[in-house]
Amino acid sequence: KQEVTQIPAALSVPEGENLVLNCSFTDSAIYNLQWFRQDPGKGLTSLLLIQSSQREQTSGRLNASLDKSSGRSTLYIAASQPGDSATYLCAVGFVGRRALTFGSGTRLQVQP
Amino acid sequence: DVKVTQSSRYLVKRTGEKVFLECVQDMDHENMFWYRQDPGLGLRLIYFSYDVKMKEKGDIPEGYSVSREKKERFSLILESASTNQTSMYLCASRTPQGSGSPLHFGNGTRLTVT
Repeated sequence: KQEVTQIPAALSVPEGENLVLNCSFTDSAIYNLQWFRQDPGKGLTSLLLIQSSQREQTSGRLNASLDKSSGRSTLYIAASQPGDSATYLCAVGFVGRRALTFGSGTRLQVQP
Repeated sequence: DVKVTQSSRYLVKRTGEKVFLECVQDMDHENMFWYRQDPGLGLRLIYFSYDVKMKEKGDIPEGYSVSREKKERFSLILESASTNQTSMYLCASRTPQGSGSPLHFGNGTRLTVT
């Protein structure tokens, strides 16, 4: 079964810390992997999209990596800020499925 | 910038009512999706459409139907609303899988069925 797992479910860090969020998936046959941010009561905002042929993508303080063979992706957030507090979701585009498969998310709290 | 617009942010409906949730995108995307999001269950796919008048069931289609008469608009219909359909509903769109484009979401509709 094609599944996506995110651990931990919640994370609290002090402001300024560099942090890593993890995403694992069960099938290496993928088109792409996408990271999203969700603020409470809102929709999902796309952060980064990594194609299966890529190893990483960067946007500002965010860097996402992809290791298909081990079924893992990480989202690295540099110099975290209170405004980064949100839920971060990972979604995988498995070959053979038209829709993305989502993880359950990591709720991040950055303490000022 | 891609814009996915859901017609209502909050809706309160009574059990047994027919409910329409509307979604419009402005980027000529072929694929459109309806998800629901519940605490502890994450995002679950209800239905998606890969072109006008084309649709496929997702993981939890029971109690729902959809309509895609125009490319930019994808409607989710609750034929007879029930309390277990109280949830956050999220619409999304993109170009077809494998084309390399990201999935874009609307702001969501919080539906309460009493």
